[in-house]
Amino acid sequence: SAVISQKPSRDICQRGTSLTIQCQVDSQVTMMFWYRQQPGQSLTLIATANQGSEATYESGFVIDKFPISRPNLTFSTLTVSNMSPEDSSIYLCSVIPDSTDTQYFGPGTRLTVL
Amino acid sequence: GNSVTQMEGPVTLSEEAFLTINCTYTATGYPSLFWYVQYPGEGLQLLLKATKADDKGSNKGFEATYRKETTSFHLEKGSVQVSDSAVYFCALSRAGGFKTIFGAGTRLFVKA
Repeated sequence: SAVISQKPSRDICQRGTSLTIQCQVDSQVTMMFWYRQQPGQSLTLIATANQGSEATYESGFVIDKFPISRPNLTFSTLTVSNMSPEDSSIYLCSVIPDSTDTQYFGPGTRLTVL
Repeated sequence: GNSVTQMEGPVTLSEEAFLTINCTYTATGYPSLFWYVQYPGEGLQLLLKATKADDKGSNKGFEATYRKETTSFHLEKGSVQVSDSAVYFCALSRAGGFKTIFGAGTRLFVKA
């Protein structure tokens, strides 16, 4: 298994500002992901965070809006840039430990943009 | 392609009622199947999994059986409690760099 922590757990931000969310895993993992979950909705994959290279973004998500860093195999950050109220969501960090098929999730960061 | 379809919610039950949440899948090969639960204000937690046909996953009184012939993985519980109120996600995945496919989620409300 994997234990994942995220910071902050929640934040309220002003329109036009940026927020960086941190994700820490208790073991080294190759596959790490960032998801968005809008109120009452399912999960939407934003990107796969690749260690040592640029993240792989899903359709509809771009690096300028959601820059991701992955400096090592236990840590990643997601920045939500130039925020608008439409960015109000829960942002979830997730990993699949190497050689397994089971995905584990962090507790999420609840973001409200005013 | 790969996909997961689960019954739409919300599902509202009285305490001690029987629960079924339907989940069907399409997939190439032989994926593993999962149920995740998301309690209010929290992230997703793995509830149970099954890795091959006819396997039964179970946890906390919940069960689901991997049915290859009907491509289904329905979640059941014999007697629900108020504390089971949450959103339940069916999912499929496999090892080796495969991205997990999630269903849309089913919200369960249990009334006392």
